[in-house]
Amino acid sequence: RKEVEQDPGPFNVPEGATVAFNCTYSNSASQSFFWYRQDCRKEPKLLMSVYSSGNEDGRFTAQLNRASQYISLLIRDSKLSDSATYLCVVFPQGSGTYKYIFGTGTRLKVLA
Amino acid sequence: DGGITQSPKYLFRKEGQNVTLSCEQNLNHDAMYWYRQDPGQGLRLIYYSQIVNDFQKGDIAEGYSVSREKKESFPLTVTSAQKNPTAFYLCASSRDTYEQYFGPGTRLTVT
Repeated sequence: RKEVEQDPGPFNVPEGATVAFNCTYSNSASQSFFWYRQDCRKEPKLLMSVYSSGNEDGRFTAQLNRASQYISLLIRDSKLSDSATYLCVVFPQGSGTYKYIFGTGTRLKVLA
Repeated sequence: DGGITQSPKYLFRKEGQNVTLSCEQNLNHDAMYWYRQDPGQGLRLIYYSQIVNDFQKGDIAEGYSVSREKKESFPLTVTSAQKNPTAFYLCASSRDTYEQYFGPGTRLTVT
């Protein structure tokens, strides 16, 4: 089993739709979780950190489910500009190193 | 403005030549990282450094070398021993175990 797994997609959704992605992780001791957005041929950019209580930033909501070991990202009222690849990143606490684990990403295409 | 800079943005080299990619940050972060990304693939860790004068191999360190003589700088050398060096190279930094911030990347093409 991969340390961090994501559905590669693509998720094709109409403008204005709500879409959700999940990301599962294997290390139950993981403490830090992040969602990044990566546009084609660009660097990843931090979208949001994921806290135990969940967090919301405008149209974006991130949730953490420790019992089932997954994090989720919900995008409401999708815009054409949301089209990108969304990367799930986990920091496995207790590893003794600063080694972040990246998922391979989920592609989102928002259609007009 | 605080951030991470990588240069050059595009780099072309002949096979058999070593090439050094620059990465500088002014975020005062202790940790720095180098990743490689191939088309349609995820990020793979090459090397990382948690403090000055110390660095560790990542998952694909063969054919690469790094140095960390200053907190702000973490250059990556792609040596002729790297079998498939053509890729998108990303540098990142972080404070402790908090979020990483990435530079704009260098696209290396070796022919």
